[in-house]
Amino acid sequence: GENVEQHPSTLSVQEGDSAVIKCTYSDSASNYFPWYKQELGKRPQLIIDIRSNVGEKKDQRIAVTLNKTAKHFSLHITETQPEDSAVYFCAATPGGSEKLVFGKGTKLTVNP
Amino acid sequence: DAMVIQNPRYQVTQFGKPVTLSCSQTLNHNVMYWYQQKSSQAPKLLFHYYDKDFNNEADTPDNFQSRRPNTSFCFLDIRSPGLGDAAMYLCATSRLGGAGVDTEAFFGQGTRLTVV
Repeated sequence: GENVEQHPSTLSVQEGDSAVIKCTYSDSASNYFPWYKQELGKRPQLIIDIRSNVGEKKDQRIAVTLNKTAKHFSLHITETQPEDSAVYFCAATPGGSEKLVFGKGTKLTVNP
Repeated sequence: DAMVIQNPRYQVTQFGKPVTLSCSQTLNHNVMYWYQQKSSQAPKLLFHYYDKDFNNEADTPDNFQSRRPNTSFCFLDIRSPGLGDAAMYLCATSRLGGAGVDTEAFFGQGTRLTVV
């Protein structure tokens, strides 16, 4: 089955700096890769996603890149703000499947 | 408007006493998931329904069961809750098309289960 590895587990940056979180997946047929942000005590919410036919996607300060050959994808947050502090989860959907397999999460802290 | 609604938000149950958590959706999505999330951990998929087809994860204990009487509702039954079952239970929905997931997974607010 699909296995998703996420690094780092914690990340601390200064406000205004960039943050990068990386994930690798095992199933080469995986075709959908969402990123979720979860604030303490709240539900995970989608912040950006990418499909396997696209190499990069950007939405304002957030971007995701996908390298299908290497089977890894990354979340990039630029100009970080304190409200970006949260736990971020990557996920992957094995090809043709409805399952969503999550990475272990990255706790991002943005220091003012 | 809330699209995936879980009730109750907080549930306290006694050790060994059956408990049911509920989830409803207004999105008409064909897939509904139940995840268990313990503190500082990732959501762990327990099972999911694709329409009426039930898909259990291999490592989900028999103590956990689910029912989906119609498209809008899905229930999580814990037959004999143990202390280790205390967690946040998240329901999510998505739509599956011909080439995989069509939509993002929308999560409900979760039910925090306490076992005493």
